[in-house]
This record gives sequence, C-alpha cells and structure tokens, in this order.
Amino acid sequence: NAGVMQNPRHLVRRRGQEARLRCSPMKGHSHVYWYRQLPEEGLKFMVYLQKENIIDESGMPKERFSAEFPKEGPSILRIQQVVRGDSAAYFCASSPAGTAQETQYFGPGTRLLVL
Amino acid sequence: AQSVTQLDSQVPVFEEAPVELRCNYSSSVSVYLFWYVQYPNQGLQLLLKYLSGSTLVKGINGFEAEFNKSQTSFHLRKPSVHISDTAEYFCAVSVKGGNNNDMRFGAGTRLTVKP
Repeated sequence: NAGVMQNPRHLVRRRGQEARLRCSPMKGHSHVYWYRQLPEEGLKFMVYLQKENIIDESGMPKERFSAEFPKEGPSILRIQQVVRGDSAAYFCASSPAGTAQETQYFGPGTRLLVL
Repeated sequence: AQSVTQLDSQVPVFEEAPVELRCNYSSSVSVYLFWYVQYPNQGLQLLLKYLSGSTLVKGINGFEAEFNKSQTSFHLRKPSVHISDTAEYFCAVSVKGGNNNDMRFGAGTRLTVKP
C-alpha cells in the first residue's frame, strides 16, 4: 500500500506565476488535508476536502489560493500569482475517516520557492 | 479552541542519554493527543497517540508519552536516544467528538543527538 504521494517535491516559481501542487492520498482514504509549514514554525491547517467537496477551508487565504479533490485523480492545491511570502513547505495528509482520533498520514511535502 | 505549546524549540542531547520533550495543551473539552516525528525533507510520521485508557502510551522507536490531565501535559520521553532520533518532533491536539481538520500542531522541537 503506497503512502501519500506528493509532486513535485520541489517547485521554483517566479513572482506572479502559478503553482500547482498535487497530492494522491493513500488507497482507501477519502479525507485529505493540506498544511503549510514555514521555517521554524509548525504546521498550519489550510483546507480539508473529501471527494468533490471542500469541507473546511478556514485556514486558506481567501485570495489566490484554491483547492480541489475531484472524483478521479489527485487533490490539487493551486496558488495563483505567487509572492515571495508563499515560499514554504506544503504538506498533504490523508485519513480513512474524518473523526478526531484518526491518524493522519503525511506525504513528503512540496517545497515551494518563489523567486 | 484547542492549542498546543511546545516549551523547547531545540533540545541537544548526547547519544544514549535520556530525553524529554515537553508539550502542554489548552482545551475546554476532552482531547486526543498525538506526537509526530519529521525527519529532514520528509513528511510527518505518527510516533504515538493518546485516545483514552492508560495515561502512559508507548509508541514506535522506543518512545513513550504520559498524559497528565491535571497539568494538561503530554510529554514525550525516551530513556536512551540514538543518533538516528535526530529530527523535529511535533505535538498535536484534537477535540474528542470533533473532526480531524481541527487538529492543531505545536511549533515543533528540534532534537539533535550528538555522538
């Protein structure tokens, strides 16, 4: 059973470009979470999705950021018109259910660098 | 809302010494508690979690943690560390009866094991 997969592992963008981060959850997991990790900081929750639905996007900036988890294919975190402050590691996690006691399984992350 | 404080940002220890990484939480309701480990350039991996029952929880790699409700703490311990334990450790809390997207992470403790 493959773990959570994220690609690309590293992404370099110039200011104003778009960044598209992909996450394939573990097989059988229908709950996906995106987090952002800034240097010397913990993980900050961004968005929680189930197949075809955004359940909670309270941690995601209102502008430029969007997420989706289509019926087929990976979950996508999209950042439009990137700025230097978007440079961070972005982690995706998945779980088989959405209840609080479930372990979240994390991918290796995508490290975004905005020049 | 629940929150977590990791009291030490960095903990240097010598190989084979014992270590304790401190975690305090804040919540007005009952909680679940987790410790995750992050090795360089990797995602987070669950070490252990407390859901209910015995307050002493044993995890992988020889780690254990004790839930102390009166002190609202969940400190992580290992009696003898190895060089390979060098990593970032994150404490996390979620609310009993809540959803997984409400999990909150501490800022992390960087454990460095020296020979």
